[in-house]
Amino acid sequence: ETGVTQTPRHLVMGMTNKKSLKCEQHLGHNAMYWYKQSAKKPLELMFVYSLEERVENNSVPSRFSPECPNSSHLFLHLHTLQPEDSALYLCASSQDNGEGYYGYTFGSGTRLTVV
Amino acid sequence: RKEVEQDPGPFNVPEGATVAFNCTYSNSASQSFFWYRQDCRKEPKLLMSVYSSGNEDGRFTAQLNRASQYISLLIRDSKLSDSATYLCVVNPWGKLIFGQGTELSVKP
Repeated sequence: ETGVTQTPRHLVMGMTNKKSLKCEQHLGHNAMYWYKQSAKKPLELMFVYSLEERVENNSVPSRFSPECPNSSHLFLHLHTLQPEDSALYLCASSQDNGEGYYGYTFGSGTRLTVV
Repeated sequence: RKEVEQDPGPFNVPEGATVAFNCTYSNSASQSFFWYRQDCRKEPKLLMSVYSSGNEDGRFTAQLNRASQYISLLIRDSKLSDSATYLCVVNPWGKLIFGQGTELSVKP
């Protein structure tokens, strides 16, 4: 495995379900991100983890709960979602060398549909 | 004001045409700048970084004007395979901020 891998690729869930999105990076990076891409909208940054610590949470509703157990893995736990949460969820990783973040690489995304 | 703003598009051009994309950004503290390409239902992929001195990669030329907070991308001799959405991206320390993208469709 190389790069950034996301699973599942597609997910359909009901509003009362609980599910998790998984992201794994094999690049040795120390920062990981969740982005949301809705139709006809720019990518929106949701969460940033640097050195396994959450450094940014862009006013994301609490029905989205991130988890970063180590520098290679990132999860997004989902519960009681709304239909408007249907979107492409993209994970990315990069390397923080203290002077900036480099080598941004995206996973292929999870296409989520909430019914 | 949006943090990163691009031409709304879509651009529909014939093969061989020259296409110019424009982008402005609001955060003067932005450190680095990029153009990404996103194919339909795929993840964004880095097309090229953008430097103040301007940079060229084959048919693609990117320019940055920090004073005007303006970024451009020029595609010469466009190919069918250039059809995609082009995303202007700025990096104000640690996060990528994306424009809404400009869709390009190159026709035979």
